[in-house]
Amino acid sequence: GAVVSQHPSWVICKSGTSVKIECRSLDFQATTMFWYRQFPKQSLMLMATSNEGSKATYEQGVEKDKFLINHASLTLSTLTVTSAHPEDSSFYICSAITGQAQHFGDGTRLSIL
Amino acid sequence: KQEVTQIPAALSVPEGENLVLNCSFTDSAIYNLQWFRQDPGKGLTSLLLIQSSQREQTSGRLNASLDKSSGRSTLYIAASQPGDSATYLCAAITQGGSEKLVFGKGMKLTVNP
Repeated sequence: GAVVSQHPSWVICKSGTSVKIECRSLDFQATTMFWYRQFPKQSLMLMATSNEGSKATYEQGVEKDKFLINHASLTLSTLTVTSAHPEDSSFYICSAITGQAQHFGDGTRLSIL
Repeated sequence: KQEVTQIPAALSVPEGENLVLNCSFTDSAIYNLQWFRQDPGKGLTSLLLIQSSQREQTSGRLNASLDKSSGRSTLYIAASQPGDSATYLCAAITQGGSEKLVFGKGMKLTVNP
């Protein structure tokens, strides 16, 4: 149990386009999901907390107009990277809580050309 | 502000050894501590969760202990195998209502056959 699915797993796109990443809890409901960013050989950096039915809470230094988060249902949160640029290239990972443990998706590798 | 440290950053051992992975945290008022495994290019797999009221948790060849007073957690891996090669991360949730995980930078383990 406690499976979190993330889609797509890999995306390459041109600079200036917007990219949407989906995070789904497959076998449980999650009122709270988290979005992280990970640079090569670095640990995870929390970007924002996604709350079902309300606005996301962003960490300091994360541009909320750049990284749009929507948590419209108890099983789906989306992260949209708007007008992506090469510096946005990274590994993005979501997680959801069930019980007291956080469970993570497999991540999305975003490459902006 | 909670800070989580993992030392060393990397470890290479021959197959069969019993291993000790260390994690230290600065704020002893933690809610729980979680150990994860991350394979290259993948998301995180939850290994063990220790609640603040617990001293240890076991799953198969893995045993995690928690000593809040000294600000330490240890992950023991018995009879290591090449398949255990991965990056291991520990993360803590501090008491206070937030469910945010604070991650260490991880320890890259290589088990040589």
